[in-house]
Amino acid sequence: EPEVTQTPSHQVTQMGQEVILRCVPISNHLYFYWYRQILGQKVEFLVSFYNNEISEKSEIFDDQFSVERPDGSNFTLKIRSTKLEDSAMYFCASSEAGTGDHYEQYFGPGTRLTVT
Amino acid sequence: EDKVVQSPLSLVVHEGDTVTLNCSYEVTNFRSLLWYKQEKKAPTFLFMLTSSGIEKKSGRLSSILDKKELFSILNITATQTGDSAIYLCAVGSGGSNYKLTFGKGTLLTVNP
Repeated sequence: EPEVTQTPSHQVTQMGQEVILRCVPISNHLYFYWYRQILGQKVEFLVSFYNNEISEKSEIFDDQFSVERPDGSNFTLKIRSTKLEDSAMYFCASSEAGTGDHYEQYFGPGTRLTVT
Repeated sequence: EDKVVQSPLSLVVHEGDTVTLNCSYEVTNFRSLLWYKQEKKAPTFLFMLTSSGIEKKSGRLSSILDKKELFSILNITATQTGDSAIYLCAVGSGGSNYKLTFGKGTLLTVNP
């Protein structure tokens, strides 16, 4: 069964460093998402991406964040100059949806980011 | 601000019991309501509901949506220890800016 994959599973970085979290969405999916879950808190939407551009972003997704689809399979989240409060589990998700039709989103296993 | 509220926050039952998990919501431009099961890491998709009153069923799990009263329930019958997990309710809203808003989840513990 096709699944979303994410690498690395755990990333430890020092405050102020840049990190890139990688995702490979399900191959025929068109919409890609990043969510995060701070320990003990709810899953929060960060950004959605379709047709090589951002469709929607939350207040959390400020200038330190960026997303990219560098090739036909990968979808990345870059965090510039990480802060302690960026420590969280970051989930990538993808769905088949086209505008007006909303399909279920399938989630990857997550990358646990620890900023020290 | 979109809101999704789940209850109870946690529940402990014995194997064989039936449980009902609740999800109420207030969102702008509602599109769909989704249930996920989160065991260790990734939320695993269970159901997506878009129409009121139509029950979706998969084995011992079923779910229904009430768009007038803005809530959904997830039922699990004859619970097993493998059902122990956090159950997440998420509401999809928006058009081209579609996104999911999650509730805090219900932690279900099924004891043998």
